[in-house]
Amino acid sequence: KQEVTQIPAALSVPEGENLVLNCSFTDSAIYNLQWFRQDPGKGLTSLLLIQSSQREQTSGRLNASLDKSSGRSTLYIAASQPGDSATYLCAVRQAGGFKTIFGAGTRLFVKA
Amino acid sequence: GAGVSQTPSNKVTEKGKYVELRCDPISGHTALYWYRQSLGQGPEFLIYFQGTGAADDSGLPNDRFFAVRPEGSVSTLKIQRTERGDSAVYLCASSLNRGLAGVNTDTQYFGPGTRLTVL
Repeated sequence: KQEVTQIPAALSVPEGENLVLNCSFTDSAIYNLQWFRQDPGKGLTSLLLIQSSQREQTSGRLNASLDKSSGRSTLYIAASQPGDSATYLCAVRQAGGFKTIFGAGTRLFVKA
Repeated sequence: GAGVSQTPSNKVTEKGKYVELRCDPISGHTALYWYRQSLGQGPEFLIYFQGTGAADDSGLPNDRFFAVRPEGSVSTLKIQRTERGDSAVYLCASSLNRGLAGVNTDTQYFGPGTRLTVL
């Protein structure tokens, strides 16, 4: 059974700092991995999607990497801003199916 | 519309009642997902539709939960004999899922959710 774990559960950093959020999964048979952000009381916003054959994806100040064999993904945020404060969730879609399993998220607070 | 919409935004009901939650996906998106999210947790997969058919309903917790998508667009999640433990935010997502070479069509776009409270 696929399990997705995100560490740390919460993180507080000063503005301008570079930071890394971690996601690990127990079953390497995945189709893709997606990172989302969720603002309080809101739905999820897609940030980056990495297909199982890819190693990383970049969008602006965000870079996501995938090491399928070790069951790990990281989301790197460069030069953090107060507007980056949100919960960041990673989700894996299982290979050969459509079920998508989410981690519990990392709550990020960027202090001005 | 431009994004995924869900109605109602809030639903309060009494234990034992029947509820329907509606999702309007992005126009042209063939794939539709339902999730539910409890406070402090990530979304929990419920069901996936490809077109009109439920391709994977393995996440539905029991037979009180049922979902339909009769015309391959709008979907309704139906919960019978609601229980207090059903209280959560119910999220819907859609994706294009067209298998186009060199094009990412798997990104899931989420609606704002329906907050269900069972008293």
